[in-house]
Amino acid sequence: DTGVSQDPRHKITKRGQNVTFRCDPISEHNRLYWYRQTLGQGPEFLTYFQNEAQLEKSRLLSDRFSAERPKGSFSTLEIQRTEQGDSAMYLCASSSPRQLSGNTIYFGEGSWLTVV
Amino acid sequence: AQKITQTQPGMFVQEKEAVTLDCTYDTSDPSYGLFWYKQPSSGEMIFLIYQGSYDQQNATEGRYSLNFQKARKSANLVISASQLGDSAMYFCAMDSNYQLIWGAGTKLIIKP
Repeated sequence: DTGVSQDPRHKITKRGQNVTFRCDPISEHNRLYWYRQTLGQGPEFLTYFQNEAQLEKSRLLSDRFSAERPKGSFSTLEIQRTEQGDSAMYLCASSSPRQLSGNTIYFGEGSWLTVV
Repeated sequence: AQKITQTQPGMFVQEKEAVTLDCTYDTSDPSYGLFWYKQPSSGEMIFLIYQGSYDQQNATEGRYSLNFQKARKSANLVISASQLGDSAMYFCAMDSNYQLIWGAGTKLIIKP
């Protein structure tokens, strides 16, 4: 499968614990994005990487959240001291501006987080 | 500020009928892209179709076509010959530099 893959797909954690999600983008894509989506809403932008550089972070990304893309390939999103409000689906996406269809962004299947 | 508006929270359509999902947008950028994504209950966000602001023709991808009316700032998605598997949430989005601006989505249910 050459699409965007995310792991784990589902995570249930106790409040206060740390969680980490991993994203493997489409191999030739140099741009990687993290979005968060709650039930009944559209996705909300969290952060964006171009290669290994984190170029933008949303104000939604509090200091408990950190994202890395150390070698410009896979990325991790860590949430420290989880709160119930962090319960959501975390979507990873990637794109390449060289594509003919504009900067089409392709998404993974998402990682569902439930904080209990 | 850039904004996407989807005015149909939900729609019921008979199988095999065509369906139009509405999307209007607001931007002051001369160059922009418009996207439609499908999100089934499994959660994956599936890319359907893209329309660039300078594209002369409306985009088409199989049963999907985008009715792009630039002067009216609308980018409606048309699904021809709907199928039961088309039941899902549909999101319209617009690119803004490095991110997508999303509408609230339309829940489409295809009736057998």
